[in-house]
Amino acid sequence: EVQLLESGGGLVQPGGSLRLSCAASGFTFSSYAMSWVRQAPGKGLEWVSSISYSGGSTYYADSVKGRFTISRDNSKSTLYLQMNSLRAEDTAVYYCAKSRYAAYYYDMDVWGKGTTGTVSS
Amino acid sequence: QSALTQAASVSGSPGQSITISCTGTSSDVGDYNYVSWYQQHPGKAPKLMIYDVSNRPSGVSNRFSGSKSGNTASLTISGLQAEDEADYYCSSYTSSSTVVFGGGTKLTVL
Repeated sequence: EVQLLESGGGLVQPGGSLRLSCAASGFTFSSYAMSWVRQAPGKGLEWVSSISYSGGSTYYADSVKGRFTISRDNSKSTLYLQMNSLRAEDTAVYYCAKSRYAAYYYDMDVWGKGTTGTVSS
Repeated sequence: QSALTQAASVSGSPGQSITISCTGTSSDVGDYNYVSWYQQHPGKAPKLMIYDVSNRPSGVSNRFSGSKSGNTASLTISGLQAEDEADYYCSSYTSSSTVVFGGGTKLTVL
């Protein structure tokens, strides 16, 4: 069964950091682009970042550029999101999602259940 | 990058058809056939319903169909069923190599 399992969410103070992980199983992780999408409480979906199958290309929303870093370890079938300089507006459920393609990331056919990051003092 | 524009809510009776619109610009919806639609039930993860404007992933009912004209994409659900009640989001690739989502449309089945 194709599965994505996020972890690493929690409560952090403004200006702090969190590192999210997404463990993939049931498919050849190294063959697909991956993304992070977030959803603030009661709000809609917001694309955060994507990475190509090899990790050689990364893409970010303007709202997180320079603060968040996406990466992947294909030997561990795991996707990461390092989030620094966190703000209250970064509070959200963070979903890990698999693309249908190796290099293209604009549609996501498998989603994890999400992990919640809360930024508050 | 501004969010794509969707109506906040739409409703229909069982058996009817409804259409949800998603309006973007010539830098996203209008310039690429990379529009997707997602269904999200409360407390659940989104589910891909349509990709590349009008294609259905395996397992998605053929009651769901997508189309595009100019800067506006549309999702049509025919033969409405109670289980279709959910939030629906469109998304598009953009000329900035980013992805933009719509604000979401809440579908109520009366």
